[in-house]
Amino acid sequence: DIQMTQSPSSLSASVGDRVTITCRASQGIRNDLGWYQQKPGKAPKRLIYAASSLQSGVPSRFSGSGSGTEFTLTISSLQPEDFASYYCLQHSSYPRTFGQGTKVEIK
Amino acid sequence: EVQLVESGGGLVQPGGSLRLSCAASGFTFSNYWMSWVRQAPGKGLEWVANIKQDGSEKYYVDSVKGRFTISRDNAKNSLYLQMNSLRAEDTAVYYCARDLVGMVRGVIITFGMDVWGQGTTVTVSS
Repeated sequence: DIQMTQSPSSLSASVGDRVTITCRASQGIRNDLGWYQQKPGKAPKRLIYAASSLQSGVPSRFSGSGSGTEFTLTISSLQPEDFASYYCLQHSSYPRTFGQGTKVEIK
Repeated sequence: EVQLVESGGGLVQPGGSLRLSCAASGFTFSNYWMSWVRQAPGKGLEWVANIKQDGSEKYYVDSVKGRFTISRDNAKNSLYLQMNSLRAEDTAVYYCARDLVGMVRGVIITFGMDVWGQGTTVTVSS
């Protein structure tokens, strides 16, 4: 199985901050990676697909980069509605695997 | 509007069975792979299983193999997850999700899950 190591597990940030979350794959997954946002009690929402493509309707302050084994989700200017948990997902091989998640909290 | 609505969750005793359903609307269900993903209380997301458009291919995470069966009825625009021999560790919110898998010049390409339902809660406890 491909292990997805996501870091940090949590972070505290202020509105307007630039935030970066990283996922490392235990083996190469090309760009078969997505990023998801989840708010408490809600279903995940996809933000990024194919590692760097912005899902329709998602604000441009979200961006993704990387290929192979190292991937990054960046929020350029954190907004109040961005406080949530974030997960990466590799869909390169079975079983599909998620990172452990990053909880973004208000400083 | 593209929509997925899960149902069938509830409280079940260890060793019991439960069948989850997911009703799809707003898109051509038979054109898409579909997945189940679960989330234990306070934990992260875990992919459980997926199924090809015509049901001819199915994949499972090891922890549910032999106990869970994914299926679909394209005439009813519905996805199912039959869960047998349930354990306490199967307690979770179960989401169905549309899964983007295609083929280009004989090569399989995947784009992950783009649309998710609101989830249904399964509690396994005596």
